[in-house]
Amino acid sequence: KAGVTQTPRYLIKTRGQQVTLSCSPISGHRSVSWYQQTPGQGLQFLFEYFSETQRNKGNFPGRFSGRQFSNSRSEMNVSTLELGDSALYLCASSLTEMGGYTFGSGTRLTVV
Amino acid sequence: AQSVTQLDSQVPVFEEAPVELRCNYSSSVSVYLFWYVQYPNQGLQLLLKYLSGSTLVKGINGFEAEFNKSQTSFHLRKPSVHISDTAEYFCAVTVIQGAQKLVFGQGTRLTINP
Repeated sequence: KAGVTQTPRYLIKTRGQQVTLSCSPISGHRSVSWYQQTPGQGLQFLFEYFSETQRNKGNFPGRFSGRQFSNSRSEMNVSTLELGDSALYLCASSLTEMGGYTFGSGTRLTVV
Repeated sequence: AQSVTQLDSQVPVFEEAPVELRCNYSSSVSVYLFWYVQYPNQGLQLLLKYLSGSTLVKGINGFEAEFNKSQTSFHLRKPSVHISDTAEYFCAVTVIQGAQKLVFGQGTRLTINP
């Protein structure tokens, strides 16, 4: 059974640019969540999608957005990048919350 | 709102010694509890989870955790650690009903010395 796949693994962008990260969940998992991990703030919830609908959103500015496709794959987009957006972005999928969330290896974004 | 406090940011132990990583949580509603491990340059791997029932939960790699409702704690233990257990460990909660998201503690870095 394939795990959660995130692409790309590494990304370097310039301030002001925008970036799109991709996440393919485990087959059959309809819930996809995104988290930002930084040394200072730790792991913070960005948003969660279920059946193409955003169900929950964390406390991030509107520059952070996402979407989910009919095959449950998800993308997150960050516009007008700032240096502080440098982080490891983790995607997680779940069948139900009881089963726990399976995480991908993450995309490490560096903004210069 | 929920919050999770991991009481130790770093825990150094010798190989084959026992270890306990402490986690306390705060929530006005019932929660599920999880421990995740993160190895360098990797994502998070689920170690174990508490949903209901027996308060002692066994997970992978010889880890176990005990849920204590009165003390709102969910401490992680292993009787004998190995060098390969060197990693960062995260305690997390999610509410049983409501917004489905994980709230994480700040993490505990476990370092195993030979």
